[in-house]
Amino acid sequence: GAVVSQHPSWVICKSGTSVKIECRSLDFQATTMFWYRQFPKQSLMLMATSNEGSKATYEQGVEKDKFLINHASLTLSTLTVTSAHPEDSSFYICSARVSGRGNQPQHFGDGTRLSIL
Amino acid sequence: AQKITQTQPGMFVQEKEAVTLDCTYDTSDQSYGLFWYKQPSSGEMIFLIYQGSYDEQNATEGRYSLNFQKARKSANLVISASQLGDSAMYFCAMREGPGGYQKVTFGTGTKLQVIP
Repeated sequence: GAVVSQHPSWVICKSGTSVKIECRSLDFQATTMFWYRQFPKQSLMLMATSNEGSKATYEQGVEKDKFLINHASLTLSTLTVTSAHPEDSSFYICSARVSGRGNQPQHFGDGTRLSIL
Repeated sequence: AQKITQTQPGMFVQEKEAVTLDCTYDTSDQSYGLFWYKQPSSGEMIFLIYQGSYDEQNATEGRYSLNFQKARKSANLVISASQLGDSAMYFCAMREGPGGYQKVTFGTGTKLQVIP
């Protein structure tokens, strides 16, 4: 089945640094990838929709300059948390959908636990 | 208004028994999709079952079945013969929107605990 790889799975870094998270579709092409954020014991909150070759579409309240998204190829999207602060600590998870197949589920990466000290 | 409503923050079920997890949704789209995902404590999201808005029959996948009542806008998940490994968070989700602008909204989840 479709596999999505997300890297790194856990990162701890100092306040003020930037962190890049990668999301790869390993065995299928994904025109669209999605980035979610999940706080402990809460639901997934859609941050942005990443479209290959174009700008990402951000949800209301999500800072574009804070969370940079690049979708340079059909198999890779990256989320960069710039100048991270402790309040950015969260579980970030990406997903991808097989291109052109609207009735297929999103396939999720295993998530990245980000801790900012 | 909430797009996806899961009214059960937590549920307990005896091993080998069946359990129903509730989900209601709100959309004005004619074409949409409904999903259930399982999230164990390790964090990964595991796809369980899908129901399209035009599907006339309820979806089934092994021990999982989706009780789709379109007029009531409900899509409850039924797990039969519960196993200890079913203990996890369960999220109901809905995909709506046209073509390349589709996005998925998740409910707040139900924490299921299976008791031996």
